[in-house]
Amino acid sequence: SQQGEEDPQALSIQEGENATMNCSYKTSINNLQWYRQNSGRGLVHLILIRSNEREKHSGRLRVTLDTSKKSSSLLITASRAADTASYFCAKDRGSTLGRLYFGRGTQLTVWP
Amino acid sequence: GAVVSQHPSRVICKSGTSVKIECRSLDFQATTMFWYRQFPKQSLMLMATSNEGSKATYEQGVEKDKFLINHASLTLSTLTVTSAHPEDSSFYICSARLFLAGEPTWTDTQYFGPGTRLTVL
Repeated sequence: SQQGEEDPQALSIQEGENATMNCSYKTSINNLQWYRQNSGRGLVHLILIRSNEREKHSGRLRVTLDTSKKSSSLLITASRAADTASYFCAKDRGSTLGRLYFGRGTQLTVWP
Repeated sequence: GAVVSQHPSRVICKSGTSVKIECRSLDFQATTMFWYRQFPKQSLMLMATSNEGSKATYEQGVEKDKFLINHASLTLSTLTVTSAHPEDSSFYICSARLFLAGEPTWTDTQYFGPGTRLTVL
């Protein structure tokens, strides 16, 4: 990937369980964003966390950012079968144009 | 919400031909659009940044003569894959940037198109 990695590469859980995905990066960032992609489709923006923020919530999503460890995590609580998708973190390194560099992604499968 | 379209959604072409992919922001103006490439089960790789009214900025390793980008208006960017070969077969995705300055915080979001699957025979 162009900037950092996600782990795990694949995650399989039952409905109702929580899913945690991690993302690491190598260079400094202005912000970090999480996206979701259903198979063969475009991406949907989930949440943006700025470099001076440590935690953000959006519905069942919780994102944390640890700049000292250069890592972020996405937690999906009370998962549903409809959450099955690939999840990517994308790093904005602070260019004025807002370029994003994506990690490899985590394929989440939620079984009913 | 902001919507970005891509056309065509699928294209199959013969080796040596050129293919044009359009990316449109339907309900907002985007001075900056981006083009990505994605291989099966892999990440999105940023290819280039498309700026309205100026030349595109290409990422390292991306051939600008191979992948021609034109951003002629605030709602349209095109990617032309010239002299396509089988190794150019991939999923191409565009995004349009929407930056909203505000108090106390700004938002900077890319809205993605649904992608174009290119197959070169």
